[in-house]
Amino acid sequence: QAGLTQPPSVSKGLRQTATLTCTGNSNNVGNQGATWLQQHQGHPPKLLSYRDNSRPSGISERISTSRSGNTASLTITGLQPEDEADYYCSAWDSSLSAVVFGGGTKLTVL
Amino acid sequence: EVQVVESGGGLVQPGGSLRLSCAASGFPFSSYYMTWVRQAPGRGLEWVAYINGDGSEKYYVDSVKGRFTISRDNTKNSVYLQMNSLRVEDTAVYYCARGGAQGMDVWGQGTTVTVSS
Repeated sequence: QAGLTQPPSVSKGLRQTATLTCTGNSNNVGNQGATWLQQHQGHPPKLLSYRDNSRPSGISERISTSRSGNTASLTITGLQPEDEADYYCSAWDSSLSAVVFGGGTKLTVL
Repeated sequence: EVQVVESGGGLVQPGGSLRLSCAASGFPFSSYYMTWVRQAPGRGLEWVAYINGDGSEKYYVDSVKGRFTISRDNTKNSVYLQMNSLRVEDTAVYYCARGGAQGMDVWGQGTTVTVSS
């Protein structure tokens, strides 16, 4: 099943802003929106954003999400060392009747 | 405390079977979709299956259709993944998560499934 497209890696400096993208099509991101997850090495994923762009309790206000057409974006402001992690997007695909994930983006904070 | 805890992983030969369990606590279990997601060594996340609150809707990734079955027992606050005809490529950490496509907001630590002869 075709997945969502994420850049494999993004590098940004401390206290800078990183914007990660997730591109799908009209059957998934464009129609249903996307969720975002963060995963640190050796740990389970953590939800950063529901598909309506709301944040779960406890998620930093430095994190925001949006969508334009078939592309969803995750923006992290004021980057901190603890933001270094893998980030995944996911969406329901109505043509596949399945959840699809992106391949993940490794964010490096320099 | 809201949590989910997986169990049942292990080493199995190709063609064998395993049943994973996920015990939930701290929230009204029957009100939530539940999902299984897996992660092969060094790879990204792959959605496996999800089930709605009363168990009437189930969806699977193509690669496991006909081999895996998701189910739940709301009296035991548990969700299960019966895995048959296991293949080497099913080797992964299997995570249980609360929620479905709208967002999976509570995750367990995962249980490891290794398919090898």
